Amino acid sequence: DVKVTQSSRYLVKRTGEKVFLECVQDMDHENMFWYRQDPGLGLRLIYFSYDVKMKEKGDIPEGYSVSREKKERFSLILESASTNQTSMYLCASSAVLDTGKVFTEAFFGQGTRLTVV
Amino acid sequence: DAKTTQPPSMDCAEGRAANLPCNHSTISGNEYVYWYRQIHSQGPQYIIHGLKNNETNEMASLIITEDRKSSTLILPHATLRDTAVYYCIVRVRTYNTDKLIFGTGTRLQVFP
Repeated sequence: DVKVTQSSRYLVKRTGEKVFLECVQDMDHENMFWYRQDPGLGLRLIYFSYDVKMKEKGDIPEGYSVSREKKERFSLILESASTNQTSMYLCASSAVLDTGKVFTEAFFGQGTRLTVV
Repeated sequence: DAKTTQPPSMDCAEGRAANLPCNHSTISGNEYVYWYRQIHSQGPQYIIHGLKNNETNEMASLIITEDRKSSTLILPHATLRDTAVYYCIVRVRTYNTDKLIFGTGTRLQVFP
């Protein structure tokens, strides 16, 4: 079974703190993604990575950065947390299309519900 | 990037077919249509995907129009456990990137 594991299910942080959200996958996937989910807005892509040390901005990268030093781990960093970053954060990973791999769909973690106070 | 449009909510009687529409009128020729669903408090779960042809698996069927501007996910015999938010997604693949663009989804309520 594919496992995408997010380090925390619930997190409470103070405004201005630096926050790290960690995600680990065990399927040797090239792609990893960070989304945030807010009521009425669906899932919005923050950043994604298609290889170690490679990253691209998604639709809402402002206030976030990412790190991918190893293939299995993708970290989302909130440099200075603000209350408008209170949200559910979802990590996903997938194999790249057209590489001959059977399962190319993205697999999601259970999510981290972050509250910034 | 291609975007998708879905109705915000739908109801379906248990045992009947649930037909969930999706509009993706700006989709490009190499972009796939994926469907996921999310049951409350869980991460999204993959259902099915397709490029041009209709597809079927043990969970659902996917019907894509010939012009590829819209698709329909069919759950042939909906159960109460199919109550969830269903996302129609375009998968954008370029030479070095591969990303899923989510919309706001359809909340499907299956009632007894």
